Amino acid sequence: AQSVAQPEDQVNVAEGNPLTVKCTYSVSGNPYLFWYVQYPNRGLQFLLKYITGDNLVKGSYGFEAEFNKSQTSFHLKKPSALVSDSALYFCAVRGSSGNTGKLIFGQGTTLQVKP
Amino acid sequence: EAGVAQSPRYKIIEKRQSVAFWCNPISGHATLYWYQQILGQGPKLLIQFQNNGVVDDSQLPKDRFSAERLKGVDSTLKIQPAKLEDSAVYLCASSHRLTAVPTEAFFGQGTRLTVV
Repeated sequence: AQSVAQPEDQVNVAEGNPLTVKCTYSVSGNPYLFWYVQYPNRGLQFLLKYITGDNLVKGSYGFEAEFNKSQTSFHLKKPSALVSDSALYFCAVRGSSGNTGKLIFGQGTTLQVKP
Repeated sequence: EAGVAQSPRYKIIEKRQSVAFWCNPISGHATLYWYQQILGQGPKLLIQFQNNGVVDDSQLPKDRFSAERLKGVDSTLKIQPAKLEDSAVYLCASSHRLTAVPTEAFFGQGTRLTVV
């Protein structure tokens, strides 16, 4: 069965510092991995995805994520956090074998960036 | 490009009443999803359409939930009768089409349902 784990309910960082939001996954076959962000009272907004190729994926708003197959991880990173990055972040996975495109989401991590 | 449109934004109903949500996907998107997001949890897929056919409804509580996608465009999700535990945000999303290499899904703002 496919699953996604986000081990931290909340991550706190100071503005200007690097940030990391962790995600680990379990799928059959090769994974397709996504990060979404959700601002209050808004829908989910796509940030980036890993399908194949380079393990470091760059996305919107300066975010990037590193795919690590041996550790089954796909951590979201940003070199310098902004207060406006404060939001709820979701990691999602879709396996490549016998699936219908359904995304399995983690429980979410709240990112709090303080001035 | 216009985004995924959902209505209403908010709905409060009493338990045992019925409610319906509407979604208009991005033009040209063949795949449409309805997700349920309970407070403090990640979204959970309820039903997935490819054009007007159901691809996956394995997690849809079919005794009370129903959904349809008319002419492969707009979709409605209905709950009848509602229970307290149905209180959640209902998210509609769409993507181009099902392919071996997935494309990202685009989400609407959601409908926040409160059952009292």
